[in-house]
Amino acid sequence: GQQVMQIPQYQHVQEGEDFTTYCNSSTTLSNIQWYKQRPGGHPVFLIQLVKSGEVKKQKRLTFQFGEAKKNSSLHITATQTTDVGTYFCASNPTGFQKLVFGTGTRLLVSP
Amino acid sequence: GAVVSQHPSRVICKSGTSVKIECRSLDFQATTMFWYRQFPKKSLMLMATSNEGSKATYEQGVEKDKFLINHASLTLSTLTVTSAHPEDSSFYICSARNRDRGSYEQYFGPGTRLTVT
Repeated sequence: GQQVMQIPQYQHVQEGEDFTTYCNSSTTLSNIQWYKQRPGGHPVFLIQLVKSGEVKKQKRLTFQFGEAKKNSSLHITATQTTDVGTYFCASNPTGFQKLVFGTGTRLLVSP
Repeated sequence: GAVVSQHPSRVICKSGTSVKIECRSLDFQATTMFWYRQFPKKSLMLMATSNEGSKATYEQGVEKDKFLINHASLTLSTLTVTSAHPEDSSFYICSARNRDRGSYEQYFGPGTRLTVT
């Protein structure tokens, strides 16, 4: 079945530093979604990318979908303590409504 | 916005008993809901897809007789963990898609932390 790996598993940065998490699949993805889960909370939808090479921005967050639609990245510029949490990529296997989640990247930001 | 609630938020039960968890979409109709479990510091693992008015679709390795899912209305799905054992202790999260908006994003409930003693 579809498997999506994320790296790194964990990153600890100082406030103001940039952060990037990468999502990789061995198979072509129909789409990629990104979610954020705060400690003790539930996943919250951030964005969806569908097109090859697509780039979307949300304030300090930049999302990218690879040309081959097998990888994606989330980049946070100048992290803040409010960015703390686990970031998951997820994708719908072709023809299914269900989501397959990546392994997640836990981000810790120190003030 | 789209709000999904779960009840209870936290439950402790004895081994061998059954526990029912409710998932409700509060301000939209959801023909499809999803049930996940999440172990500490791990990713979400899809257990089953709950379809209103029909049988749930279970993921490989998930026992349908142990994790009973009922989706009797467009706003409610329930997950019953039958004859719970300590290894069933986990964080169970549901999610739903908004039928009317045709939205692809999933809205997650706050989760239910189950502890089986």
